Amino acid sequence: AQKVTQAQTEISVVEKEDVTLDCVYETRDTTYYLFWYKQPPSGELVFLIRRNSFDEQNEISGRYSWNFQKSTSSFNFTITASQVVDSAVYFCALKSSNTGKLIFGQGTTLQVKP
Amino acid sequence: DGGITQSPKYLFRKEGQNVTLSCEQNLNHDAMYWYRQDPGQGLRLIYYSQIVNDFQKGDIAEGYSVSREKKESFPLTVTSAQKNPTAFYLCASSIGTPVNEQFFGPGTRLTVL
Repeated sequence: AQKVTQAQTEISVVEKEDVTLDCVYETRDTTYYLFWYKQPPSGELVFLIRRNSFDEQNEISGRYSWNFQKSTSSFNFTITASQVVDSAVYFCALKSSNTGKLIFGQGTTLQVKP
Repeated sequence: DGGITQSPKYLFRKEGQNVTLSCEQNLNHDAMYWYRQDPGQGLRLIYYSQIVNDFQKGDIAEGYSVSREKKESFPLTVTSAQKNPTAFYLCASSIGTPVNEQFFGPGTRLTVL
């Protein structure tokens, strides 16, 4: 069975703090894809990143960085120097190359206070 | 501008009525999807379509129906058979292969009165 677990339901930080959102996944597929999406209060999901199972290189995009570790089945997301505009619900998702279905975690609500 | 549009943004329905949610995309994507989101939960797949005139049930298809007569359109009908339809509905599309990310519309919030 495939599953995505985001154990942190809600996180609250003060602006400029660094924050890490955890994501742990389960799959028996050898080829799979991992995603992070942001859902601001408006409701629309915004794509942030995709990672292939065969590429464990970490990635940095501005204040965002992602740490993919197959050994621990984790794909964590770090926001450096958080800002109020980062306040949103963040979803981690897993897609099997076999089924093509996207399996979402429960989401982590991040609140960044000024 | 390329993107996905959903209408209406808010929808109210009386119990026992069918209602259709619209989803249109001009991204020339082959695949389209419908998800349901309940408060504090992740998204669950209702139906998906990888090509025109073909669609498959997702994990929670009971009480819903879809059609895919045109590449750019994938309407979702919430029937009276859906016991708890109040939720936020999101439509998405992607280029056909599994590797590609899905892009989402702004969503429709359905409330059953």
